[in-house]
Amino acid sequence: SQKIEQNSEALNIQEGKTATLTCNYTNYSPAYLQWYRQDPGRGPVFLLLIRENEKEKRKERLKVTFDTTLKQSLFHITASQPADSATYLCALTNQAGTALIFGKGTTLSVSS
Amino acid sequence: DAGITQSPRHKVTETGTPVTLRCHQTENHRYMYWYRQDPGHGLRLIHYSYGVKDTDKGEVSDGYSVSRSKTEDFLLTLESATSSQTSVYFCAISERESSYNEQFFGPGTRLTVL
Repeated sequence: SQKIEQNSEALNIQEGKTATLTCNYTNYSPAYLQWYRQDPGRGPVFLLLIRENEKEKRKERLKVTFDTTLKQSLFHITASQPADSATYLCALTNQAGTALIFGKGTTLSVSS
Repeated sequence: DAGITQSPRHKVTETGTPVTLRCHQTENHRYMYWYRQDPGHGLRLIHYSYGVKDTDKGEVSDGYSVSRSKTEDFLLTLESATSSQTSVYFCAISERESSYNEQFFGPGTRLTVL
């Protein structure tokens, strides 16, 4: 079965630095990969989707890369701010293409 | 959370009782999903629906059933609640198949089974 690993449960960085979160997957090659943000007590919110033929995608201060050879996606937040503190979830499609499988998430804390 | 509501938002119940959670959307999206979120496990798919009366099982469907009689409503039923079903339940919707389309999540229902 497909597995997703977000290899850090928690990441602490200082304001202004770049945060880099990692998502690794095994046993499958998804055509799409998504990233979500979740704040405490709330549902996840969609951030970015990247396709397997896209190496990189950007949205404002966010950048996602997708390396299908390494089976890895990196999620970067540049010029991080305390408001970026949240849990970030990686998700990819199941093999049937009918639903998403989520990683356990990485909790980012940005200190001022 | 706009366009998706879940009810109740909090519920405490006893082992063995039936429980129904409701998800209501105003977006007219075709796909609807029920997830549970537990510490150490992340979000796990319970059931999903790809249209009225069309549903399928997810990763952790045992002990749960669903129904979708209208586009806007997706019900999750625990026929006989157990303590292992204590969790936070999220409903999500998507306009098209989730593989290439984002999902929009509701605010969640916190269920405690004593």
